[in-house]
Amino acid sequence: GAGVSQSPSNKVTEKGKDVELRCDPISGHTALYWYRQSLGQGLEFLIYFQGNSAPDKSGLPSDRFSAERTGGSVSTLTIQRTQQEDSAVYLCASSLAREHEQYFGPGTRLTVT
Amino acid sequence: AQKVTQAQTEISVVEKEDVTLDCVYETRDTTYYLFWYKQPPSGELVFLIRRNSFDEQNEISGRYSWNFQKSTSSFNFTITASQVVDSAVYFCALSARSSNTGKLIFGQGTTLQVKP
Repeated sequence: GAGVSQSPSNKVTEKGKDVELRCDPISGHTALYWYRQSLGQGLEFLIYFQGNSAPDKSGLPSDRFSAERTGGSVSTLTIQRTQQEDSAVYLCASSLAREHEQYFGPGTRLTVT
Repeated sequence: AQKVTQAQTEISVVEKEDVTLDCVYETRDTTYYLFWYKQPPSGELVFLIRRNSFDEQNEISGRYSWNFQKSTSSFNFTITASQVVDSAVYFCALSARSSNTGKLIFGQGTTLQVKP
């Protein structure tokens, strides 16, 4: 079956622009997570969705970051007014339920110039 | 607070050697889950194993084995007869029940290089 997919795979943007990153989870997975991977910070949790609601947004680094999930499926992570420190690989993962194993997508590599 | 420590930053072995990757975790929860993921050069994180805190049985899957010891808060991963294809970054992760989310707390990762 299809795994988690993310688009775009690479995104280069100028400082100050907004970007949208998309995640398509595995069908039937109710839990969805966003993580960020950078050289200095390792793998960091950003936000958790259960269905369409986000009970844990504690990892979002600033109010420039937001995310939504619709139809219990696709999720979009939006970064407004991008900064150079936002450069990282953004990973999406889904699982059947929280505490189950998470399956990761290939990530979106974001470069802010 | 939850924390995962992978003290080995990089390990280099020659093919067919056995290698153990260490993972030490911290949590005050009595119910928690431990995971190992592999990140090959292609970049995608691959799930290897999930273990809950009430199951201390060691697990073997082919050349892979895991040793979970609550007494030392460790969940070590051994690859027997390593192969070049095992070269990757390996992450240990913890999910604590008290988070109510299942979010993963990752260690810093261990880069394993297997030379032919």
